[in-house]
Amino acid sequence: DVKVTQSSRYLVKRTGEKVFLECVQDMDHENMFWYRQDPGLGLRLIYFSYDVKMKEKGDIPEGYSVSREKKERFSLILESASTNQTSMYLCASRDLPNEQFFGPGTRLTVL
Amino acid sequence: QKEVEQNSGPLSVPEGAIASLNCTYSDRGSQSFFWYRQYSGKSPELIMFIYSNGDKEDGRFTAQLNKASQYVSLLIRDSQPSDSATYLCAVPNAGGTSYGKLTFGQGTILTVHP
Repeated sequence: DVKVTQSSRYLVKRTGEKVFLECVQDMDHENMFWYRQDPGLGLRLIYFSYDVKMKEKGDIPEGYSVSREKKERFSLILESASTNQTSMYLCASRDLPNEQFFGPGTRLTVL
Repeated sequence: QKEVEQNSGPLSVPEGAIASLNCTYSDRGSQSFFWYRQYSGKSPELIMFIYSNGDKEDGRFTAQLNKASQYVSLLIRDSQPSDSATYLCAVPNAGGTSYGKLTFGQGTILTVHP
């Protein structure tokens, strides 16, 4: 079974803090993705990566950065957390042309 | 026009009925189509995928694809309360550096009432 794991299920941070969200997949997938999901707005792509050290902006990259130093790990970084970044964050991985697998999600609250 | 559009619902059907979920897409080059189910508070999970025109059946689920009309649907027969969830349609980008990226619809909220 493909497994995508995320470092935390729930996270509470303060405004201005630097936040790291970690994602690891165990199936040697080339493509990895970070989304955020908010009520009424659906899934929105923040960043994705199609290879180690390669990244591409998604639809809403502002306020975020990413790192992919190893194939299995894709990190999302909030440089200075703000209250409007309170959301559910979902990591996913995919091996073309097959399905995309999601991690369990991290619910981040920024106070 | 949005790249992937779904009727947002909510859609409410009685137990045992057929639930019909619809999705249209704008990228004519798309080759494969995915349906995900997401329970409240959980992450999406794949329930069906389809590559060819026509119908694909898996248990109580049938996916229907019409590439000429750029339309994909999901039918759930003998709907159960456990089918109550949000259903997401996903379409891959056809090419370029975005190859591999799935575009998701907004999702249709389905409620099956006893």
